[in-house]
Amino acid sequence: QSVLTQPPSVSAAPGQKVTISCSGSSSNIGNNYVSWYQHLPGTAPKLLIYDNNKRPSGIPDRFSGSKSGTSATLGITGLQTGDEADYYCGTWDSRLTAVVFGGGTKLTVL
Amino acid sequence: QVQLQESGPGLVKPAETLSLTCTVSGGSISSSYWYWIRQPPGKGLEWIGYIYFRGGTDYNPSLKSRLTISLDTSKSQFSLRLSSVTAADTAVYYCGRGDYDRVDTWGQGNLVTVSS
Repeated sequence: QSVLTQPPSVSAAPGQKVTISCSGSSSNIGNNYVSWYQHLPGTAPKLLIYDNNKRPSGIPDRFSGSKSGTSATLGITGLQTGDEADYYCGTWDSRLTAVVFGGGTKLTVL
Repeated sequence: QVQLQESGPGLVKPAETLSLTCTVSGGSISSSYWYWIRQPPGKGLEWIGYIYFRGGTDYNPSLKSRLTISLDTSKSQFSLRLSSVTAADTAVYYCGRGDYDRVDTWGQGNLVTVSS
């Protein structure tokens, strides 16, 4: 059971928009920054979003992040087949004194 | 651009110690946080722990009693030792670089299977 809760799967058509939620508590999301990662099987995970809504260099602005209270959301617009991957949220948990991840969400681009 | 590469055995016997090394190239190891993260088959990411560039460490509380992460700046390497392994420790092990709450650069991963 992950500390952060994500939906197991989401799907949308190419060109459409999708959002992935990440729910936590005051000891993690509520008082710390959230990051998002993209993981294609067999490859290294990639940092998409950090500090709730910042994109590292090279990440297209189709990817966005937001946070409200104890929940965070990853948005992806203009979906492409290459976006099919597992997406994870992560943050620091002040009570556990640990980095924690969500269970991951599998994105299918239909 | 910093690159990371894990190395170590792919098979470890139960009750023995799992040892992995991550070699850092293209940048200095004398800054940042240096991570170990794993992904068991069919499951999500699990933070193992990290070592700061000054040598301090933070470990996953569930692994702390079996875990040691160390840093060798002279070789631009950091290492993981996990003792008394069981089948539950079978996973792809990733090393990474980042800040205290995120990983911005990841290695390719090293599958470690615990089996006799």
